[in-house]
Amino acid sequence: NAGVTQTPKFQVLKTGQSMTLQCAQDMNHNSMYWYRQDPGMGLRLIYYSASEGTTDKGEVPNGYNVSRLNKREFSLRLESAAPSQTSVYFCAALGDRDTEAFFGQGTRLTVV
Amino acid sequence: QKEVEQNSGPLSVPEGAIASLNCTYSDRGSQSFFWYRQYSGKSPELIMSIYSNGDKEDGRFTAQLNKASQYVSLLIRDSQPSDSATYLCAVTPDDKIIFGKGTRLHILP
Repeated sequence: NAGVTQTPKFQVLKTGQSMTLQCAQDMNHNSMYWYRQDPGMGLRLIYYSASEGTTDKGEVPNGYNVSRLNKREFSLRLESAAPSQTSVYFCAALGDRDTEAFFGQGTRLTVV
Repeated sequence: QKEVEQNSGPLSVPEGAIASLNCTYSDRGSQSFFWYRQYSGKSPELIMSIYSNGDKEDGRFTAQLNKASQYVSLLIRDSQPSDSATYLCAVTPDDKIIFGKGTRLHILP
């Protein structure tokens, strides 16, 4: 049982390049989330999907887009990477709001 | 903007003592409250959840909730060096999970 799987684990991009971070869960959870974590800033919500077919903006959505491809997969796309997007990105899945959120292992992204 | 506030620390506690971590939240509609532990370079992992006013104990950990004061705390008894980590308070006011910035805890051997 893998839980929540993120790919890639590490990535270096040049300013202006695009990329997609992949997230897949095998727990049949309805809700999925993308966070970024910067030093001293905690986890900040980028986008979330409360159910298959729906997505909503979080606290810091600018510069990102998401796709809830199906119940298992929730991807995060950077169309034109900027150095300010250098961060660790975490995907999480949640069954319902009263239960534990399970996190992927994170993607460390550096934009140069 | 729904907020969760924590003291960033670092909080230094001698080994064997009680560590006390605090969190306040802004949305009175919040129903579920969580404490996550995050080791450096790792993902957050759940250590406690609490939904009702009062105390909830699990081993060396006790979570306390006071909805009237919009306050959640975590007590760690008999602190161990392995407890050194960042502790994140989380609240689910609606479909979102909102995290605080975390408190760094350092247990002194």
